Amino acid sequence: QKEVEQDPGPLSVPEGAIVSLNCTYSNSAFQYFMWYRQYSRKGPELLMYTYSSGNKEDGRFTAQVDKSSKYISLFIRDSQPSDSATYLCAMRRGLNTGFQKLVFGTGTRLLVSP
Amino acid sequence: EAQVTQNPRYLITVTGKKLTVTCSQNMNHEYMSWYRQDPGLGLRQIYYSMNVEVTDKGDVPEGYKVSRKEKRNFPLILESPSPNQTSLYFCASSLTSGGIGTDTQYFGPGTRLTVL
Repeated sequence: QKEVEQDPGPLSVPEGAIVSLNCTYSNSAFQYFMWYRQYSRKGPELLMYTYSSGNKEDGRFTAQVDKSSKYISLFIRDSQPSDSATYLCAMRRGLNTGFQKLVFGTGTRLLVSP
Repeated sequence: EAQVTQNPRYLITVTGKKLTVTCSQNMNHEYMSWYRQDPGLGLRQIYYSMNVEVTDKGDVPEGYKVSRKEKRNFPLILESPSPNQTSLYFCASSLTSGGIGTDTQYFGPGTRLTVL
């Protein structure tokens, strides 16, 4: 079983829709949760990160973490064609646990049609 | 401009012909890493380096070598490439391994390698 599971998609939505992207994980030691966006033929770039449980909002994007369910989500409001990309979740253990690498999900491909 | 550069961006080669993919960052980052990205498998770490002359294996190190002689450069070496190393490769760097907040992990543009 992978430590981080993510539906590969593609997820196709019309412009203006609310998008929900999700990851589940098995390691309860994970404390930092990140979302990366990767456009075609580009490297991933950090979109948002959250620490422990709760929500974090940044413009049209909201990241949500439910540690009790080991489930994280990224919501995109008023989706735009420019949001079409692959979204990867990533997570790691706490900063006081020494060196810890990021563990990535496989990515979900999102297509927003005009 | 803060960036991670990789060269070449595209490479087609044959089995057994040694090759090097270069990676360079201009942010004075201590931590650098190589990943490969394959459909259905996501990003998998090959090797990482926490500083000059300090490198360690990631999840899939077989068939690869790295070196870190200078802080800014972290080349990936395939001494005898095989077809199962056909993949999309990314170099990344960050201040530490945190990859969090101001310690963002920056990725290069990728190198698409095909081994025939």
